[in-house]
Amino acid sequence: EAQVTQNPRYLITVTGKKLTVTCSQNMNHEYMSWYRQDPGLGLRQIYYSMNVEVTDKGDVPEGYKVSRKEKRNFPLILESPSPNQTSLYFCASSLKRGTDTQYFGPGTRLTVL
Amino acid sequence: AQSVTQPDIHITVSEGASLELRCNYSYGATPYLFWYVQSPGQGLQLLLKYFSGDTLVQGIKGFEAEFKRSQSSFNLRKPSVHWSDAAEYFCAVGATGANNLFFGTGTRLTVIP
Repeated sequence: EAQVTQNPRYLITVTGKKLTVTCSQNMNHEYMSWYRQDPGLGLRQIYYSMNVEVTDKGDVPEGYKVSRKEKRNFPLILESPSPNQTSLYFCASSLKRGTDTQYFGPGTRLTVL
Repeated sequence: AQSVTQPDIHITVSEGASLELRCNYSYGATPYLFWYVQSPGQGLQLLLKYFSGDTLVQGIKGFEAEFKRSQSSFNLRKPSVHWSDAAEYFCAVGATGANNLFFGTGTRLTVIP
């Protein structure tokens, strides 16, 4: 089944404790992206990747890192999480560009205390 | 600068009634336009998209949308709403040749019996 998976689905952590949210897709897509969703703000893009070893900042990249060492995986790293990063995070992938149909993961609910 | 406006934060309709969700965009180029739906606890799923051609676009689950260039709008419609349509709906816009999409802030739809 074609899908985007994210882990963990729920995470509660404390300020400053490094964490990684994994994202994997099995559709051989070149484009992958991370978004955060906050009430009243919709989805805002954090980082995106056009292909292996090619990443770029989205609209709200501060406090986040990503890597794209393999085509299928696009982990999101928070080196020193802060409470303002409490949010719902989505990973998405598409064939080549963000303007192709994007397929979304189920989301990761992160709480930073 | 590109932007997407969904002026209605929350809409309530009765089951069986018609629905129209508004979306206005501001974009300097020929836009690609999308509607995504997010069911509770789920990721986003594509409902329909417009790239070019016929300005009335049919999507899944009985939804349609009409692109009106003169009004910079891409409103989503459904003639008869079902209880399972209760969800959050996002309009998104991208430009030809662009890498990314910009999402609106979403409209939450409640369906009452």
